[in-house]
Amino acid sequence: QLQLQESGPGLVKPSETLSLTCTVSGGSISSSSYYWGWIRQPPGKGLEWIGSIYYSGNTYYNPSFKSRVTISVDTSKNQFSLKLSSVTAADTAVYYCAKAKASLLDHWGQGTLVTVSS
Amino acid sequence: EIVLTQSPGTLSLSPGERATLSCRASQSVTSSYLAWYQQKPGQAPRLLIYGASSRATGIPDRFSGSGSGTDFTLTISRLEPEDFAVYYCQQYGSSPRTFGQGTKVEIK
Repeated sequence: QLQLQESGPGLVKPSETLSLTCTVSGGSISSSSYYWGWIRQPPGKGLEWIGSIYYSGNTYYNPSFKSRVTISVDTSKNQFSLKLSSVTAADTAVYYCAKAKASLLDHWGQGTLVTVSS
Repeated sequence: EIVLTQSPGTLSLSPGERATLSCRASQSVTSSYLAWYQQKPGQAPRLLIYGASSRATGIPDRFSGSGSGTDFTLTISRLEPEDFAVYYCQQYGSSPRTFGQGTKVEIK
């Protein structure tokens, strides 16, 4: 059964770079049928699509983040990663990684809370 | 960017009752590429409906979706205790992909 697990620091200082990794198990990240995405949810608020990546490295970013976000993939480790630069308190959120088929998010990680604070 | 507006914000109902949730788009959703997700406290969202009306794998048939263009509806025919949660709509036909702000279905 496919599983996704986010990992990374739970606390990031303002102006620094948030870095998270999603490890995929029970399936190959190199499947040609899927994209792999990052979504976030500020505490008590709704969902926001950050971006996604194909195993070949093709990326799609939400223009709201485009100047600050980088998503990369490491097929040898069956992982993909998120980097969000110049963070502020507004970037405090639960960050989810997910598998996307035609932009449908049908498998999700459990999510990881990242707090931006000095 | 397509803005999705969900209503009502909160729906207070009893188990066994019918729930009707609305999702309205600021412009037409391409090819009815509209999905619904359910989220329970402390959990990740779960895909319920895609293509406006198709149930995802393993979703009970008490959940149904309908609509096209700019107006979509999620109906839960008879609420079970496990259905009390927050529901989000998402459009995936245009970039950027966007979500509604959610409707909370709570026990009355």
